Amino acid sequence: AQTVTQSQPEMSVQEAETVTLSCTYDTSESDYYLFWYKQPPSRQMILVIRQEAYKQQNATENRFSVNFQKAAKSFSLKISDSQLGDAAMYFCAYLNAGNMLTFGGGTRLMVKP
Amino acid sequence: EAQVTQNPRYLITVTGKKLTVTCSQNMNHEYMSWYRQDPGLGLRQIYYSMNVEVTDKGDVPEGYKVSRKEKRNFPLILESPSPNQTSLYFCASSLLGTFGETQYFGPGTRLLVL
Repeated sequence: AQTVTQSQPEMSVQEAETVTLSCTYDTSESDYYLFWYKQPPSRQMILVIRQEAYKQQNATENRFSVNFQKAAKSFSLKISDSQLGDAAMYFCAYLNAGNMLTFGGGTRLMVKP
Repeated sequence: EAQVTQNPRYLITVTGKKLTVTCSQNMNHEYMSWYRQDPGLGLRQIYYSMNVEVTDKGDVPEGYKVSRKEKRNFPLILESPSPNQTSLYFCASSLLGTFGETQYFGPGTRLLVL
């Protein structure tokens, strides 16, 4: 079974600065997908970014980008120019070939004005 | 508006009293799934359904039932709720359930079992 680990329960960043959230996963599969989801206080789960394992190029969505290191099984999320609205829980998730989504324990991001 | 809806959003009940949490999507999605979220554990899958009349267990199915009689609806049933089922529940759906599809989540249902 796959496991996803987010080693930072909480992170803090100054507004307009850059922050990186860590995620590692354990798998024996070669083909899979990785996701970052954002959960604001409303509790809604919002997709931030996704990465296909067979693609070497790191995914980017506006201020959000990932550093995908397949050999190291690492998938970190970088948020540039942090905004107050970025404050939320962030979950890393792994999707296997059987379409089962496994989530990490989450990282709470606080943004200081 | 394309969305996944859940009802109720909040529910307090007592041990042993059967309850149903409804989930509905208006995107004509084949795949639907239920998750529970507990502190420090992220989301864990309870059941999923690839299409009508096809359901299968996820990681934590004990104490739950589901049904998929129509494409748009996927209710979660707790026949005899217990306090360890106190949690935040999410329904999700995706178009075909094929590998790599993004799952879209409902707003969540917070359940407290006394």
